Amino acid sequence: NAGVTQTPKFRVLKTGQSMTLLCAQDMNHEYMYWYRQDPGMGLRLIHYSVGEGTTAKGEVPDGYNVSRLKKQNFLLGLESAAPSQTSVYFCASSVRGGLGYTDTQYFGPGTRLTVL
Amino acid sequence: AQSVAQPEDQVNVAEGNPLTVKCTYSVSGNPYLFWYVQYPNRGLQFLLKYITGDNLVKGSYGFEAEFNKSQTSFHLKKPSALVSDSALYFCAVRAFTGRRALTFGSGTRLQVQP
Repeated sequence: NAGVTQTPKFRVLKTGQSMTLLCAQDMNHEYMYWYRQDPGMGLRLIHYSVGEGTTAKGEVPDGYNVSRLKKQNFLLGLESAAPSQTSVYFCASSVRGGLGYTDTQYFGPGTRLTVL
Repeated sequence: AQSVAQPEDQVNVAEGNPLTVKCTYSVSGNPYLFWYVQYPNRGLQFLLKYITGDNLVKGSYGFEAEFNKSQTSFHLKKPSALVSDSALYFCAVRAFTGRRALTFGSGTRLQVQP
């Protein structure tokens, strides 16, 4: 049981290049999330998904796209990378519950992305 | 909109002394509150959560947190700090209803000196 895994761990891009970050979870969780972490700002939600085939925008969605074609995978895409997207990206997942369920989130180890 | 404030960027404490990491929140309705810890080059790890009931919540590694509704606070505490507790701590909140995504504070770095 690996939990939440992310690939790659590190990446350096040039401005304008594209890339896809992969998140995989083996806990059969319904919900998945992408966050970015910047110094002094905590974690900010980029996009999230409440189930296979569904996605929704978070706080800072501009410049990113996501897809959830399989329940266990959640992909984050950057179509044209910008230096402002230099950050550490975390994926998380949580189990689906009824109204009031607390949905404790489980995090992956992160991807450190630098855009030059 | 929901928000979390962690007023201290860093907390320094000597090993063996009690520690407190502060958190205040704002949310519509009843809150769900969480504490996560992040060790260097690692993802966030769940420590504890408040759902309802007893205002004192006990979590992993000897940590506990006290929910205070009137002060809208959820401070993290430990009676006796260890050097290995040194890490970055995040408080997070979500409302009882609505979107399930969490809103995180900016984090507090805890430094425990031997």
